[in-house]
Amino acid sequence: AQSVTQPDIHITVSEGASLELRCNYSYGATPYLFWYVQSPGQGLQLLLKYFSGDTLVQGIKGFEAEFKRSQSSFNLRKPSVHWSDAAEYFCAVGAGGNFGNEKLTFGTGTRLTIIP
Amino acid sequence: GAVVSQHPSWVICKSGTSVKIECRSLDFQATTMFWYRQFPKQSLMLMATSNEGSKATYEQGVEKDKFLINHASLTLSTLTVTSAHPEDSSFYICSARGLPGQDNEKLFFGSGTQLSVL
Repeated sequence: AQSVTQPDIHITVSEGASLELRCNYSYGATPYLFWYVQSPGQGLQLLLKYFSGDTLVQGIKGFEAEFKRSQSSFNLRKPSVHWSDAAEYFCAVGAGGNFGNEKLTFGTGTRLTIIP
Repeated sequence: GAVVSQHPSWVICKSGTSVKIECRSLDFQATTMFWYRQFPKQSLMLMATSNEGSKATYEQGVEKDKFLINHASLTLSTLTVTSAHPEDSSFYICSARGLPGQDNEKLFFGSGTQLSVL
């Protein structure tokens, strides 16, 4: 069965500093990997996804993530965070369907706090 | 962009009553909708997959008679928590997937429903 681990429950970063959110997955085949962001009172918004090809994927809002098969990781990065990036971030692995989004398994999430 | 509306966003009910949660795709047709549940400090867990016009497929351990899902149209799926009990208190969130060729690769999520059963 697939699983996702986000080791950091809560991260605090200064505005303008770089950010890396960790994600490790367990999946038997080539995974479909996703990062979602959830702001308070809102639904999950897709930041980026990896299906195949280039292991460094670019997403919205200046985020990127790198797929490392040898480490079973898909860490999310941003060179310089903005106060509006404060939110809950979820990593997910998918299976089935045309784009691996038939069944998503989510991590427990990482809450990002930005300090001035 | 595509919008999924989930209603209500917050509901309190007495133990033993039933609660209906609606999930609507506002500007696209969704053949498939998914229902998730999230307990505090835990992952979102897939409960069931809902396909328009057919019976929902439930994940292992999810009681189909307790969590009734109806997907009667391409824009609406409902989740009814029947005879709710305090242990059903949770955050429920839906997602919708567009038709093939219409953002089928994307899932669009509702904003969730916080259910509290007294």
